[in-house]
Amino acid sequence: QSALTQPASVSGSPGQSITISCTGTSSDVGAFNYVSWYQQHPGKAPRLMIFDVSNRPSGVSNRFSGSQSGNTASLTISGLQAEDEANYYCSSYTSGSTVIFGGGTKLTVL
Amino acid sequence: QVQLVESGGGLVKPGGSLRLSCAASGFTFTDYYMSWVRQAPGKGLEWVSYISASGNTIYYADSVKGRFTISRDNARNSLFLQMNSLRAEDTALYYCARAGIASRHYFDYWGHGTLVTVSS
Repeated sequence: QSALTQPASVSGSPGQSITISCTGTSSDVGAFNYVSWYQQHPGKAPRLMIFDVSNRPSGVSNRFSGSQSGNTASLTISGLQAEDEANYYCSSYTSGSTVIFGGGTKLTVL
Repeated sequence: QVQLVESGGGLVKPGGSLRLSCAASGFTFTDYYMSWVRQAPGKGLEWVSYISASGNTIYYADSVKGRFTISRDNARNSLFLQMNSLRAEDTALYYCARAGIASRHYFDYWGHGTLVTVSS
């Protein structure tokens, strides 16, 4: 199964909002409300930011939000801050009972 | 606090075997699905396998099916990954990850990873 499709890179200035898309198929993203998003700084382990499309774990800023329409999910970060600069990965449960990740998006804060 | 500590990585020749371990603490291990996720150098995340709390439900990525075996020892709060017939493309940092409560599909705690290098 191919990875979910994410843009390779996005950028924004401090205070702005950005959105990262994550496109799958009717066998993964579109089949369930089970998309999650992870933030990974260089040399660090991934950190869960959003689960089940739009839920934030305790401790995650409300500047992070998630949504989904059909086979595409999105992560929006509002009020960009320098510390948001990182790689972001989406993932989804699949109809084959497996988990699939996106290729990752590098966020640059200008 | 939740801690996941991986061990067992190292350098192995193509065709060789390696067994990874993950020691879990700070939570009730028997309440959670557990997974292995890997990351090749400079690449993205790739889910490898998950195992249910009881060990009865197991799934693998196609890329490792038939070569890797996930298992757990609930008495020792430990997760394992037996890796056989290793290939160069298995070279990666292997993370142990806990699934969210009552889920198998997202990971709320991660270890720091153990590096596996497959090279002659």
